[in-house]
Amino acid sequence: DVKVTQSSRYLVKRTGEKVFLECVQDMDHENMFWYRQDPGLGLRLIYFSYDVKMKEKGDIPEGYSVSREKKERFSLILESASTNQTSMYLCATRQGAGNQPQHFGDGTRLSIL
Amino acid sequence: AQKVTQAQTEISVVEKEDVTLDCVYETRDTTYYLFWYKQPPSGELVFLIRRNSFDEQNEISGRYSWNFQKSTSSFNFTITASQVVDSAVYFCALSENDNDYKLSFGAGTTVTVRA
Repeated sequence: DVKVTQSSRYLVKRTGEKVFLECVQDMDHENMFWYRQDPGLGLRLIYFSYDVKMKEKGDIPEGYSVSREKKERFSLILESASTNQTSMYLCATRQGAGNQPQHFGDGTRLSIL
Repeated sequence: AQKVTQAQTEISVVEKEDVTLDCVYETRDTTYYLFWYKQPPSGELVFLIRRNSFDEQNEISGRYSWNFQKSTSSFNFTITASQVVDSAVYFCALSENDNDYKLSFGAGTTVTVRA
């Protein structure tokens, strides 16, 4: 089974802080994704990566950046956290092309105070 | 542009009732893939099924069944004889060949099964 591990289930930070959310996968998948989930909006793609050191903007990249220095790890960075970034963040991986399913971690519920 | 609509926000049923979740999608692409995911209270999205645009066969897996109709751009999901463990948020999602296969999700339908 694919294992996607997100470093924290719950996280509380303050406005203006730099926040790091970590995601690690154990199945050597090329593709990794970061989403945020908000009630009534489903999941929205923030950033994704097809390979090490490669990244592509998703639908809502503003206020976020990512880092992928190793294949198994994909980090989401909130450069200066704001209250409107309070959300559930989900990491996913995918092997191969887009006809394959994505595999998700348990999510990180982030609160910005 | 791609779009997935799950018009039902919440559905509540009593155990053993059947429940059908609607999913309507929009795409101009001829090659696309549709997915259903389940998100139980624990939070992790679990992949349930994938259907490609060239395969309109309906599928049954245990108590789950899916009805794909290209003519109406719908990919509906039915849980037969629901159980309390089916309580979750269910998401329909679309990926298109012309959009680098990025997944677009519907807003989700929350299913509550009461004992």
